[in-house]
Amino acid sequence: KQEVTQIPAALSVPEGENLVLNCSFTDSAIYNLQWFRQDPGKGLTSLLLIQSSQREQTSGRLNASLDKSSGRSTLYIAASQPGDSATYLCAVKDNYGQNFVFGPGTRLSVLP
Amino acid sequence: DGGITQSPKYLFRKEGQNVTLSCEQNLNHDAMYWYRQDPGQGLRLIYYSQIVNDFQKGDIAEGYSVSREKKESFPLTVTSAQKNPTAFYLCASSIAGTISGNTIYFGEGSWLTVV
Repeated sequence: KQEVTQIPAALSVPEGENLVLNCSFTDSAIYNLQWFRQDPGKGLTSLLLIQSSQREQTSGRLNASLDKSSGRSTLYIAASQPGDSATYLCAVKDNYGQNFVFGPGTRLSVLP
Repeated sequence: DGGITQSPKYLFRKEGQNVTLSCEQNLNHDAMYWYRQDPGQGLRLIYYSQIVNDFQKGDIAEGYSVSREKKESFPLTVTSAQKNPTAFYLCASSIAGTISGNTIYFGEGSWLTVV
């Protein structure tokens, strides 16, 4: 059964710092991996989608990488801002195309 | 605007009572999902449906029921058999199967509290 973990569970950084969030999954037979942002009491918003054949995706200050063989993905946030404060979750979709398995998330606080 | 609408945003349930959470989508997605999120924890899959009139149990289906009579709608009933229902419930939808660019979209969630 696929399991997804995220490290660290929480992170606090001063504004302007570059940071990396980590996501690990146990079964490398994935179809894609997504990173989401969740604000308190809200639903999830998709940030980046990486297909299994891709190595990375970029959107603005965000860059996500995927190393399927080692079961790892990272989300890189450049020049962090207080508005980036939120919980970031990763999710993998298996090769059977049925379900998404989510990690527990990393709670990020960017201090002004 | 296209999206997923969940209602109500806040719901209180008395002991022994069944309650139903509504989820409607106008994205023309075949697949719909219900997740439960407890404070500080990830999402756990309750039920999912890949097509109208068909649905499958997820990891924590006990005490919950669903129906999928229309493509746009996937209501979740929290029954009295669910002993610890207080949580944040998220509905989601996606294109079914493995299609390039397949992402999952979420509603704004519903808070359920037992009183």
